[in-house]
Amino acid sequence: QKEVEQDPGPLSVPEGAIVSLNCTYSNSAFQYFMWYRQYSRKGPELLMYTYSSGNKEDGRFTAQVDKSSKYISLFIRDSQPSDSATYLCAMSEDDKIIFGKGTRLHILP
Amino acid sequence: GAVVSQHPSWVICKSGTSVKIECRSLDFQATTMFWYRQFPKQSLMLMATSNEGSKATYEQGVEKDKFLINHASLTLSTLTVTSAHPEDSSFYICSAVPSGGKAFFGQGTRLTVV
Repeated sequence: QKEVEQDPGPLSVPEGAIVSLNCTYSNSAFQYFMWYRQYSRKGPELLMYTYSSGNKEDGRFTAQVDKSSKYISLFIRDSQPSDSATYLCAMSEDDKIIFGKGTRLHILP
Repeated sequence: GAVVSQHPSWVICKSGTSVKIECRSLDFQATTMFWYRQFPKQSLMLMATSNEGSKATYEQGVEKDKFLINHASLTLSTLTVTSAHPEDSSFYICSAVPSGGKAFFGQGTRLTVV
């Protein structure tokens, strides 16, 4: 079993819809949980960062962590065409970060 | 937020030549930087951990003699792809971690070996 599992998509949703992106993991020692957005041919950009179970909200983005289930989610409200990108979940125990494969998201105008 | 600058953003080189990629942390010091490789539609694969003032730590399967890493200062790490071949063509990305496991990434370098 891979340490981090993420559905690669692609996921296509209409503009304005709520998007739900998810990852599962197997290493209970992970302490930090992150979501990155990556546009084509660009480096990943940190979107959300958390280290505890529960929800963290930032504008249209909400990150959710459930350590008991080893499951993390990213919700995007009022999705926009500019949100179309690849979203990578990532988690770390120390400085070493393990990434999911990324989910390609398409927001249809 | 923290800024990591990577240069060049793209490079084309001839097979057999060497290419150097720079990664700089602009507003913080980084004793550790990381180098990743990303193939199309794939996730980032950690190649090596660059440690300031000491030898880099390479992941299994990564040739240390081919991918030379130098971390000469707290704000600069370089990756040199030596004797590049077409199969080395990829997207190379560096990252630095200022604190608490939160990594910031460079813009990436697209290397094409012809």
